Amino acid sequence: QVQLVQSGAEVKKPGASVKVSCKASGYTFTGYFMHWVRQAPGQGLEWMGWINPRNGGTNYAQKFQGRVTMTRDASINTAYMELRSLIYDDTATYYCSREVGGSSGWPGWFDPWGQGTLVTVSS
Amino acid sequence: SYELTQPPSVSVSPGQTARITCSGDALPKQYAYWYQQKPGQAPVVVIYKTTERPSGVPERFSGSSSGTTVMLTISGVQADDEADYYCQSADSSGTYVVFGGGTKLTVL
Repeated sequence: QVQLVQSGAEVKKPGASVKVSCKASGYTFTGYFMHWVRQAPGQGLEWMGWINPRNGGTNYAQKFQGRVTMTRDASINTAYMELRSLIYDDTATYYCSREVGGSSGWPGWFDPWGQGTLVTVSS
Repeated sequence: SYELTQPPSVSVSPGQTARITCSGDALPKQYAYWYQQKPGQAPVVVIYKTTERPSGVPERFSGSSSGTTVMLTISGVQADDEADYYCQSADSSGTYVVFGGGTKLTVL
């Protein structure tokens, strides 16, 4: 079955960086865009951007441009999201999710989602 | 930046119909998707391409659209439907994905 398994929880100090991994299985990794979405405690979903695993192309939400980098290693079916210069407000659960049903100019929906990775920014 | 607007909360009694709206200027041009999220769990899609229901999602879930507003309707609400619901769409160019702020559905 299609599955996304993320790396474990992280605790980081302000100013540090965090890199979260997302290992895909059960489908052709290079055939679907991978998105990253975060959710602060008790808050809503916030889209961060996507990576095209076929060629490494990326598109980031304006809020995160300059601070986030999404990469992939297609040889091991794994996507990564690195967020730099962490602040307290970056404390959140970070999800990866596969996009399905979309086309150029009309994004699709997200299915499935990883289990989430809690990143805590604390001094 | 582009935004989608949802009511923060909706409350209904079991067996009644819940209606959750999502408004945004680009909705006439872009599909809308709806997710259900229960505490401690990742979101799960319940409506895709504005009106389509994935296999495995109960028939009481439906989606509709009128102008710049889309709606998730849950008919015959059950206690198990209590959750947060999020709409998802994109700006008019399809460049940026956006989520609504979420609606907490309470089953009284």
